[in-house]
Amino acid sequence: DVKVTQSSRYLVKRTGEKVFLECVQDMDHENMFWYRQDPGLGLRLIYFSYDVKMKEKGDIPEGYSVSREKKERFSLILESASTNQTSMYLCASSPGGVMVSGNTIYFGEGSWLTVV
Amino acid sequence: AQSVSQHNHHVILSEAASLELGCNYSYGGTVNLFWYVQYPGQHLQLLLKYFSGDPLVKGIKGFEAEFIKSKFSFNLRKPSVQWSDTAEYFCAVSTMEYGNKLVFGAGTILRVKS
Repeated sequence: DVKVTQSSRYLVKRTGEKVFLECVQDMDHENMFWYRQDPGLGLRLIYFSYDVKMKEKGDIPEGYSVSREKKERFSLILESASTNQTSMYLCASSPGGVMVSGNTIYFGEGSWLTVV
Repeated sequence: AQSVSQHNHHVILSEAASLELGCNYSYGGTVNLFWYVQYPGQHLQLLLKYFSGDPLVKGIKGFEAEFIKSKFSFNLRKPSVQWSDTAEYFCAVSTMEYGNKLVFGAGTILRVKS
């Protein structure tokens, strides 16, 4: 079974703090993604990566950055957390090189981040 | 840019009722279509997907979906729901022109009363 593990399930951070969300996948997938999930808005893509040290902006990259130093690990960074970044963050991975059509994306269990 | 619309945000059904969740997308080219489900406290799981062939796709747990190209739709159906189908359901689309990244609808929360 594919396993996508997000290290923190629940976090509470203060406004202005730097926040790291870590994600590891164990299936040697090339592609990794970070989404945020908000009620009534579904999932929105923040950043994705299709190879080590490669990253591409998704639909809502503002206020976020990412790091992919190793194939299995994809980190989301909030440089200076703000209250409007309170959300559920989902990491995902999929096989294939550059976004192969029809590839299934596998999701982690999510990280609930509250910024106060 | 492509977008996905799910018509109902909340649906409440009794057990054994039939289910149909609407999904429309806005893109005229070749699309790949997906339905994901998120049970309470669990991660998103793939229910079914379509990328070519028979437009009637069968997935896990008795779900099916029909791709109707002329209507830009990919509605999810189940003839008889169970209490355990209570979950949030997401429709998603990917296209080659958008780098095959998934674009999700807003989700539909289904509650099945026992």
